[in-house]
Amino acid sequence: QVQLQESGPGLVKPSQTLSLTCTVSGGSISSGGYYWSWIRQHSGKGLEWIGYIYHSGSTYYNPSLKSRVNISVDTSKNQFSLKLSSVTAADTAVYYCARGLPADYWGQGTLVTVSS
Amino acid sequence: QSVLTQPPSASGTPGQRVTISCSGSSSNIGSNYVYWYQQVPGTAPKLLIYSNNHRPSGVPDRFSGSKSGTSASLAISGLRSEDEADYYCAAWDDSLSGPYVFGTGTKVTVL
Repeated sequence: QVQLQESGPGLVKPSQTLSLTCTVSGGSISSGGYYWSWIRQHSGKGLEWIGYIYHSGSTYYNPSLKSRVNISVDTSKNQFSLKLSSVTAADTAVYYCARGLPADYWGQGTLVTVSS
Repeated sequence: QSVLTQPPSASGTPGQRVTISCSGSSSNIGSNYVYWYQQVPGTAPKLLIYSNNHRPSGVPDRFSGSKSGTSASLAISGLRSEDEADYYCAAWDDSLSGPYVFGTGTKVTVL
């Protein structure tokens, strides 16, 4: 059974960089040919796809966030990571990591609040 | 920012059939598969339907999906209390909005 777990600071100051890591267990990131995604959800709102990385390292980002997003993968640790720069209060959300598109396995989500 | 439009709410009594619509365009639903997710409040979304009308293992056959042109629908038959949740459609998008977009979401209430 594949499991994903997000980790990272729950509070980030405005203008700083949000950094989250997703640890995958029960399966290898480097096998299976899946996209590994980050998705976020603002409080009481819908889902927003942020971007994905393939096990080869190729990435694709939501055009609306592209200038601020970087997703990377560390196959040796079976992890992939999200960095979102120059954050504002509008980036406050629950951030999910997920396997595949469509996403068939999800992490539990982690709330990141942007506040001074 | 959602490019897929859903009604904000739908409701039904236990045993009834509820249908949720998802309206898109030629760059997403019109040319790609549609997916549906169920999200119980406080939990992560769960994949409910993939490739328009296929159910992952473990999803009851009370849930069914369909697609016609640039619109799609999710039907829940034999509504149960545990079906009370938010439902989102999604699709790949070939335009500058893409490549993967979610619907606005529909809250299903079991009366």
